[in-house]
Amino acid sequence: AQSVTQPDIHITVSEGASLELRCNYSYGATPYLFWYVQSPGQGLQLLLKYFSGDTLVQGIKGFEAEFKRSQSSFNLRKPSVHWSDAAEYFCAGTYSGAGSYQLTFGKGTKLSVIP
Amino acid sequence: EPEVTQTPSHQVTQMGQEVILRCVPISNHLYFYWYRQILGQKVEFLVSFYNNEISEKSEIFDDQFSVERPDGSNFTLKIRSTKLEDSAMYFCASSEALPGQVEAFFGQGTRLTVV
Repeated sequence: AQSVTQPDIHITVSEGASLELRCNYSYGATPYLFWYVQSPGQGLQLLLKYFSGDTLVQGIKGFEAEFKRSQSSFNLRKPSVHWSDAAEYFCAGTYSGAGSYQLTFGKGTKLSVIP
Repeated sequence: EPEVTQTPSHQVTQMGQEVILRCVPISNHLYFYWYRQILGQKVEFLVSFYNNEISEKSEIFDDQFSVERPDGSNFTLKIRSTKLEDSAMYFCASSEALPGQVEAFFGQGTRLTVV
């Protein structure tokens, strides 16, 4: 079955430190992968997406993610975290070929930022 | 920037009552979705809607749920007889095409509390 896994429930980093949030996927076909961010009381905002092509994708707010087929991963990174990045981050995916309408979400990783 | 809007932001209802959650998708989008997020759990797909009919639904979307696009702009989710376990954040989303081709844009959510 298709799935998206975020192994880390909660991560705390210091402001200015680098960040990597992990996401693993399980899709038989070529996956389409997304990272969304949810700030407190807010909806889901798309940070970046991977459909095909360059495996390193750039997103908004200085985030990037790298698709690694060999590791079934799509980890989100940011070189220097700001206090405003504190939020919950969701990895989501779907896959080609089946015409599926739905996104499968991971359980989310809550990011706390220490001043 | 166009966005998906949802009303109300928070709804409290008594168990057994009917509720209607409302959404205005982005105007040129053709695919519409409802997802829900029970507190502390992952975002789950409920239903997708295209060309005035349900295109896909999850096992969560039972006979108590229905969706409608009553006019050219609104997209609604009705829960016929609410249960305590329906308490969740409900997200509406829309996209120009299938999620594997383009990204889905999410609204800010309606927090439904069933008492």
